[in-house]
Amino acid sequence: DVVMTQSPLSLPVTLGQPASISCRSSQSLLYSDGNTYLNWFQQRPGQSPRRLIYKVSNRDSGVPDRFSGSGSGTDFTLKISRVEAEDVGVYYCMQGTHWPPYTFGQGTKVEIK
Amino acid sequence: EGQLVESGGGLVQPGGSLRLSCAASGFTFNYYPMNWVRQAPGKGLEWVSYISSGSTVIYYADSVKGRFTISRDNAKNSLYLQMNNLRDEDTAVYYCASDGSGHLEHWGQGTLVTVSS
Repeated sequence: DVVMTQSPLSLPVTLGQPASISCRSSQSLLYSDGNTYLNWFQQRPGQSPRRLIYKVSNRDSGVPDRFSGSGSGTDFTLKISRVEAEDVGVYYCMQGTHWPPYTFGQGTKVEIK
Repeated sequence: EGQLVESGGGLVQPGGSLRLSCAASGFTFNYYPMNWVRQAPGKGLEWVSYISSGSTVIYYADSVKGRFTISRDNAKNSLYLQMNNLRDEDTAVYYCASDGSGHLEHWGQGTLVTVSS
């Protein structure tokens, strides 16, 4: 199975400042169809997960443009350009290239300083 | 917009069985593959099972293979997870999630399964 490794696991941030989360996969996530199936999810406290980004850099409907995804191969990044209070929660990367199974990172907890 | 609502969770003894349901509305359910994903208390996300739109392709995580059965009824816009021989480590919130434009696009609110004597 592909192992997804996130860092940091805890990220205290100041409101209005940028934040960045790294996700590395144990194998390249480039699929034979040319797509890279790397997603990012947000889970606010007490809520179910919500997909933010699919195929590395595509924002889902309703996701603020302060969220952006980038990367290729085995190295990926989720960036929040200016953190707002509603961004508090746990963020997960997930790969859908080498499946089954879909595999998730351990999660990164974003909190306000 | 589409909605997914899980039900059927509860307290069950080790070795027992439970059937989860997921009711879909607001989208063309029979077009989309579906999944179950679980989250143990205070832990991360674990994919459990996948079923294609026509039920022809089914996959399970190794941790539940042989004990859990995924199914769907497109006429009823419903997804199911039959869980047998439950173990303590199956205690989790179980989410159904649809594969739309990519994997795990929409999620339900989850249903809690507690396995304990």
